[in-house]
Amino acid sequence: DAGVTQSPTHLIKTRGQQVTLRCSPKSGHDTVSWYQQALGQGPQFIFQYYEEEERQRGNFPDRFSGHQFPNYSSELNVNALLLGDSALYLCASSFGLNEQFFGPGTRLTVL
Amino acid sequence: SQQGEEDPQALSIQEGENATMNCSYKTSINNLQWYRQNSGRGLVHLILIRSNEREKHSGRLRVTLDTSKKSSSLLITASRAADTASYFCATGHFSGSARQLTFGSGTQLTVLP
Repeated sequence: DAGVTQSPTHLIKTRGQQVTLRCSPKSGHDTVSWYQQALGQGPQFIFQYYEEEERQRGNFPDRFSGHQFPNYSSELNVNALLLGDSALYLCASSFGLNEQFFGPGTRLTVL
Repeated sequence: SQQGEEDPQALSIQEGENATMNCSYKTSINNLQWYRQNSGRGLVHLILIRSNEREKHSGRLRVTLDTSKKSSSLLITASRAADTASYFCATGHFSGSARQLTFGSGTQLTVLP
């Protein structure tokens, strides 16, 4: 049984560019949450998707947007990248409101 | 912003010793979870304790929760070099139909062989 998978593993972008990160949830899970983890910090909640809708959002600007597909996979999009967007982006999946299982993350570097 | 704060920020012990990490939080919670992270990789779920529970065990892990003091502790007994990692507490909040985890800034545990 595959766990949560994320792609790509690493990504390098320049300021002002746009990026799309992808996440496939664990089999049987229908809810996907995204977190941003800056170096040396704990993860911060970006938003959560369920039934293809954004259910809750953390304190992140509108440059951060997402999508969930009918197969429950999800994308995180970040527009107009800033240097401060450099971080590890973590996807977590769950079945409803149960425990969240995390993927290995995508390391984004903005130059 | 971070909800919880782990204490200490860093802990170094010898193999075989016990490691205790503490977490404090600010608002009411539905549950508290502990995660482990190896060197910038994904988070591994260790244990969940609900707000109406006071203590929970899982293998070499023991977690306590004191909701009156808004604090939790994670005890790892008979530590091994492989336990070297960052440990995070995360508080679970149910808001309508959503469930959000709010993480602390973590404790870096180093277990020396």
